[in-house]
Amino acid sequence: KQEVTQIPAALSVPEGENLVLNCSFTDSAIYNLQWFRQDPGKGLTSLLLIQSSQREQTSGRLNASLDKSSGRSTLYIAASQPGDSATYLCVGAYNNNDMRFGAGTRLTVKP
Amino acid sequence: DGGITQSPKYLFRKEGQNVTLSCEQNLNHDAMYWYRQDPGQGLRLIYYSQIVNDFQKGDIAEGYSVSREKKESFPLTVTSAQKNPTAFYLCASRTWTGEYEQFFGPGTRLTVL
Repeated sequence: KQEVTQIPAALSVPEGENLVLNCSFTDSAIYNLQWFRQDPGKGLTSLLLIQSSQREQTSGRLNASLDKSSGRSTLYIAASQPGDSATYLCVGAYNNNDMRFGAGTRLTVKP
Repeated sequence: DGGITQSPKYLFRKEGQNVTLSCEQNLNHDAMYWYRQDPGQGLRLIYYSQIVNDFQKGDIAEGYSVSREKKESFPLTVTSAQKNPTAFYLCASRTWTGEYEQFFGPGTRLTVL
């Protein structure tokens, strides 16, 4: 069974700091990997989607990478802001219906 | 605006009652999903549907039922057989071709009284 792990479970940084969130997966036969943001009591907002044939995707201050050989993905957030405080989830898709969710990293950016 | 809507936002159920959570999407997506989220855990798949009038059990389908009579709608019924239904329920949809990007609704928080 494919597993997705996110480390750390929680992270607190001062405003303006660059940071990296980590996601690891046990099966390299991943179809795509998607990063989501979840605010308390809310649904998931898609941030970036990386296909298995891609190495990275960028959107604004966010950059996500995918290394299938090592079973890792990272989400890089540049110049963090208090509004970035949320839980960040990575999701590995292994076929059309087998998607595995990490438990998330809870990020707090302090003003 | 295209998207996924879920209702109600909050739902309270007495023990022994069945309740139905609504999920509607206007994204023209073929596949729809129901997930359950508990504190400190990743999302777990309850049911999914790839096409109208067809659906499959996920990892934790016991005590739940679904229907898919229309492409836009995928309601979830939490039955009295579900022993621990208090959770946050999320509905999602995705295309069946292309990038398979998944989109989520805002969620329904169910509490058993």
